[in-house]
Amino acid sequence: GAVVSQHPSRVICKSGTSVKIECRSLDFQATTMFWYRQFPKQSLMLMATSNEGSKATYEQGVEKDKFLINHASLTLSTLTVTSAHPEDSSFYICSATRRVRLSTDTQYFGPGTRLTVL
Amino acid sequence: AQSVTQLDSQVPVFEEAPVELRCNYSSSVSVYLFWYVQYPNQGLQLLLKYLSGSTLVESINGFEAEFNKSQTSFHLRKPSVHISDTAEYFCAVSGGAGGTSYGKLTFGQGTILTVHP
Repeated sequence: GAVVSQHPSRVICKSGTSVKIECRSLDFQATTMFWYRQFPKQSLMLMATSNEGSKATYEQGVEKDKFLINHASLTLSTLTVTSAHPEDSSFYICSATRRVRLSTDTQYFGPGTRLTVL
Repeated sequence: AQSVTQLDSQVPVFEEAPVELRCNYSSSVSVYLFWYVQYPNQGLQLLLKYLSGSTLVESINGFEAEFNKSQTSFHLRKPSVHISDTAEYFCAVSGGAGGTSYGKLTFGQGTILTVHP
């Protein structure tokens, strides 16, 4: 149990276009989802926390107008990279939690989405 | 603010040898500590976690980690590794109850463990 999927797994787009990445919890209801970004040979960096039915909370330095997050249902959160630029090329990873007790809940991670902006 | 340092980016070992993956953290509040493993082409999976109580925690596949508050460390160990343990391992912390980083994970840089036959 506790499977999280991401779609697409890889995407290549032209500079200036927008890309949407989906994160789904397949067998549980995720009241909270997190979005991370990982650069090559670096750690995962938390971008934002997404709670179902409310606005996402962004980490310092993350542009909320550029990285649009929508947590429309208990099983789906989307990250849209707007007006993408080559520096947005990265590995984007989501995680989901049941939020029984947030601080101790296990986060279940998706397999990640490789975004390449040309 | 919290930070996590994994001191080794790559650790090559031979099968059946012991291994230790090092993790140190810094935090101004009490923390919860985690080790995640990422196998090739898969998402991160929780390996083990320390929340409270006994400082030695174990996973179902033979890994263990010990929380050392005085040294702010949470090193991961296994007495005898298998080829199938080859993966990337991430140490992470989250703020304890009431901390401002409640629920948010801060990750280390990752350690690639390669087990050779």
